[in-house]
Amino acid sequence: DAGVTQSPTHLIKTRGQQVTLRCSPISGHKSVSWYQQVLGQGPQFIFQYYEKEERGRGNFPDRFSARQFPNYSSELNVNALLLGDSALYLCASSPTGEGGYTFGSGTRLTVV
Amino acid sequence: GQQVMQIPQYQHVQEGEDFTTYCNSSTTLSNIQWYKQRPGGHPVFLIQLVKSGEVKKQKRLTFQFGEAKKNSSLHITATQTTDVGTYFCAGSKVYQLIWGAGTKLIIKP
Repeated sequence: DAGVTQSPTHLIKTRGQQVTLRCSPISGHKSVSWYQQVLGQGPQFIFQYYEKEERGRGNFPDRFSARQFPNYSSELNVNALLLGDSALYLCASSPTGEGGYTFGSGTRLTVV
Repeated sequence: GQQVMQIPQYQHVQEGEDFTTYCNSSTTLSNIQWYKQRPGGHPVFLIQLVKSGEVKKQKRLTFQFGEAKKNSSLHITATQTTDVGTYFCAGSKVYQLIWGAGTKLIIKP
């Protein structure tokens, strides 16, 4: 069975640009969560979606947005990129949005 | 806001020695989860503890949840090179996880 897949794996963007990251959850999982992990720190919660509805939002600016599609895949969008947005962006899926999460390998975003 | 503190930041051990990481929350947790992240990798779910005073074992790993559900620990007996990585605790808050900063297990050469 395929795990959580994220694309792209690596990305380099310039300050001020916009980026879209993609995630496909494990088959049957209806919940997708997004986390940002800066080197040397624990992941920080950005969003959780369940059945296409936003169920939670972390302490991130409005430049960050996300959505979930009918097939439960998800996109994370970040506008007006700042140098501080450079991080590993992790997608996690679970059947209901609770319990243990399965993480994808992440997208490493570098803003220059 | 809710915070989860995790200590130590690093632990250097000889292969075969034990390893322990501790996690403390500023508020009572509904449950706590533990994850392992290998260098260059992504977090991998290890276990979830839900009940006050709960103790769970996975081979050489022992997980404990405090009576007040505000602290937790992970103990690894007789570490092996395959145990290398960063161990994170994460407390559940509604539909998000609040993560500790992690404890990096380093095996001395």
